[in-house]
Amino acid sequence: GQNIDQPTEMTATEGAIVQINCTYQTSGFNGLFWYQQHAGEAPTFLSYNVLDGLEEKGRFSSFLSRSKGYSYLLLKELQMKDSASYLCAVRDSGNQAGTALIFGKGTTLSVSS
Amino acid sequence: DAGVIQSPRHEVTEMGQEVTLRCKPISGHDYLFWYRQTMMRGLELLIYFNNNVPIDDSGMPEDRFSAKMPNASFSTLKIQPSEPRDSAVYFCASRPGLDHNEQFFGPGTRLTVL
Repeated sequence: GQNIDQPTEMTATEGAIVQINCTYQTSGFNGLFWYQQHAGEAPTFLSYNVLDGLEEKGRFSSFLSRSKGYSYLLLKELQMKDSASYLCAVRDSGNQAGTALIFGKGTTLSVSS
Repeated sequence: DAGVIQSPRHEVTEMGQEVTLRCKPISGHDYLFWYRQTMMRGLELLIYFNNNVPIDDSGMPEDRFSAKMPNASFSTLKIQPSEPRDSAVYFCASRPGLDHNEQFFGPGTRLTVL
């Protein structure tokens, strides 16, 4: 079956570092994505990993271990505007053309001053 | 580019009524996706199209749901008849092609069925 797990909620303070974990079990694997979604808005793309290791993009980094079915999103120097839901998604190569995404339920991050 | 455009942004209807949601993808994008988001189930893929052809509709909940893409710049998701459990935010997203990883989401349509 298809399963993507991530914590429901997390809290942190401004300036801190937070790590949001994601574990997945899918019939195939063709990439892992992180999206950010502010309340009442559409998801926006943050990162993509297909090979093991760390991808860094400014204050945000994403890590992937395919053998462990595990990823994390690391947010540094937290700002109030980072308060949002963070969605982990896997592209399941088992789908025809391997292009559809399976999303986790998201982790709601609250950043306080 | 204006991004993915969806209409209406909000829809309130009564149980049993027909609902039609509309989407205009980003010009030149080959893939179009319809998703539904609820608190309970998160973001779920309903159906996706490649070059206007439906590829995978296994996420469509039941026969009351149908989707069409008559041309490269327009798609509709129809619910007939609507039920209260269909209340959700419906997102449309598009993607340039297989060589591109990012999906671009529209602002969504918040549907409430009374």
